[in-house]
Amino acid sequence: SQTIHQWPATLVQPVGSPLSLECTVEGTSNPNLYWYRQAAGRGLQLLFYSVGIGQISSEVPQNLSASRPQDRQFILSSKKLLLSDSGFYLCAWSVPPGRREKLFFGSGTQLSVL
Amino acid sequence: SQKIEQNSEALNIQEGKTATLTCNYTNYSPAYLQWYRQDPGRGPVFLLLIRENEKEKRKERLKVTFDTTLKQSLFHITASQPADSATYLCALPGSSNTGKLIFGQGTTLQVKP
Repeated sequence: SQTIHQWPATLVQPVGSPLSLECTVEGTSNPNLYWYRQAAGRGLQLLFYSVGIGQISSEVPQNLSASRPQDRQFILSSKKLLLSDSGFYLCAWSVPPGRREKLFFGSGTQLSVL
Repeated sequence: SQKIEQNSEALNIQEGKTATLTCNYTNYSPAYLQWYRQDPGRGPVFLLLIRENEKEKRKERLKVTFDTTLKQSLFHITASQPADSATYLCALPGSSNTGKLIFGQGTTLQVKP
């Protein structure tokens, strides 16, 4: 069966520090991968998605970047965190376009930038 | 771009009653619509998908309707239980064929015993 691992669960970082969140998927090949952010009391905002290794699409201009070095690995990074980067970060995967369009989410990382 | 509206106010109902949540969207008609459940501090979990040619879909105590004329979906939980308390998110596909979803803000349901 397929599983998605996301870590860490909680992270407290000072303003200006770097960030690296990692997500890995098991049990499937060539998934679409996504990074979403959920600010307190707000909906899910799509940050990045990837349809293959090295292929990253950014949805909104921001202080963050994403990379996909391997088929089932997706990394979210920042060189210098801002206060506004605080939020709940969720990694998700889906089967490439077809009848199975649903997303499978990781358990999320709660990031607090102080 | 697609815009999704869900009632941002929490819905409080008594155990055993039917909960009805609304999802309205603007712009283009999607090929399908999805509903997810999210518990505090957890990632959303997929519940149901309904396609544009389906008017109603059921799964156990859950029922979803899809009215493409009104651009609205209704999500019903019958015989609600305190364990149904959570935030429910509506999601629609983006305009490109990449599988990405656009989510509504969600409606929090509180079922009281």
